[in-house]
Amino acid sequence: DAMVIQNPRYQVTQFGKPVTLSCSQTLNHNVMYWYQQKSSQAPKLLFHYYDKDFNNEADTPDNFQSRRPNTSFCFLDIRSPGLGDAAMYLCATAGGPSADTQYFGPGTRLTVL
Amino acid sequence: QQQVKQSPQSLIVQKGGISIINCAYENTAFDYFPWYQQFPGKGPALLIAIRPDVSEKKEGRFTISFNKSAKQFSLHIMDSQPGDSATYFCAASKGGSEKLVFGKGTKLTVNP
Repeated sequence: DAMVIQNPRYQVTQFGKPVTLSCSQTLNHNVMYWYQQKSSQAPKLLFHYYDKDFNNEADTPDNFQSRRPNTSFCFLDIRSPGLGDAAMYLCATAGGPSADTQYFGPGTRLTVL
Repeated sequence: QQQVKQSPQSLIVQKGGISIINCAYENTAFDYFPWYQQFPGKGPALLIAIRPDVSEKKEGRFTISFNKSAKQFSLHIMDSQPGDSATYFCAASKGGSEKLVFGKGTKLTVNP
């Protein structure tokens, strides 16, 4: 009964090699988020979708892109990963009666070699 | 004005003791204050949340105390257990915004 699913859980890529992380949800929430979390830090919002409307944070590098083909799925594309992009990437959703509450997935741990 | 300040950064408590984590905010437009619990290698999970119309909310061993005039809110964990050892994040958001503003987190260690 997982509600926010992230795949893969662990991803290893090489410096500069594009990588795609995926998120799916069974909650039918209209808002989906991507966060980057580095060790001992709070999650940092990269961008979010309100339905199909894309909202990019001002300090999110151009290297990060996102796609949301439908309500259930959202993808994070890192076009040219650098060593500094190694982190946990968290997907979250919000919507329904408790629209303020964000529900997080288990995260994808990205390693850049 | 968008910040949420969380303290302490780390906390060590003996089993059975009370853990207290504090957060302060500046933006009076904030109207939703959740606490998230995160275990190593996992995503944050909502623990408990409060709105400014109440001063306290309790769920099991977890209580949020909210002081609107002081713009502060705190998490109290009663009878702390080793299984409570995790990082706790407070957060805040304002109505109509989809975004959460997180505190920097508190690493709680409960010793057996």
